[in-house]
Amino acid sequence: AQSVTQPDIHITVSEGASLELRCNYSYGATPYLFWYVQSPGQGLQLLLKYFSGDTLVQGIKGFEAEFKRSQSSFNLRKPSVHWSDAAEYFCAVGARGSNYKLTFGKGTLLTVNP
Amino acid sequence: EAQVTQNPRYLITVTGKKLTVTCSQNMNHEYMSWYRQDPGLGLRQIYYSMNVEVTDKGDVPEGYKVSRKEKRNFPLILESPSPNQTSLYFCASSFTGTSGLQTQYFGPGTRLLVL
Repeated sequence: AQSVTQPDIHITVSEGASLELRCNYSYGATPYLFWYVQSPGQGLQLLLKYFSGDTLVQGIKGFEAEFKRSQSSFNLRKPSVHWSDAAEYFCAVGARGSNYKLTFGKGTLLTVNP
Repeated sequence: EAQVTQNPRYLITVTGKKLTVTCSQNMNHEYMSWYRQDPGLGLRQIYYSMNVEVTDKGDVPEGYKVSRKEKRNFPLILESPSPNQTSLYFCASSFTGTSGLQTQYFGPGTRLLVL
């Protein structure tokens, strides 16, 4: 069975600082990987996804993530955080083949200080 | 506009009173799913459907029912709600891209309080 671990429950950064949110997954083969963002009171918005190929994936809002098979990780990064990035971020893993299950991590809450 | 809609957005009810949360998508997606989100637990899948009349249990199906009579609709039914079903519920739909990947699009959520 697949699983996702987001080790950081809450991260606080200053506006303009760089950001890295950690995500580790467990899956027997190469997974599909996603990052979603949830702003307060809102639904989930897809930031980026990894299918295959280039391990550095670019997403919306200036985010990127890197798939590292050897570390079973898919960390999300942004070089300069804006106050509007304050939200909760979820990493998710999807199984390939006929299994349509998407498993989410428990989320990392990002606070941005002015 | 391509979207997933849910109704109602907010609902307060009492234990045992049957309720239905509707979900509709206008993207002609085959796959639809229901999740619940609870603090500290992230999103957990309740049920999913791969097409009309095809549904299956997710991780936390107890106390819920679903049906898929039309491709665009996937209602979530709580026959006898209990307080432990107080949660934020999300419906999602997805297509299967050329790689077979599921890219899920989420509705705005339904916040349910069961007294």
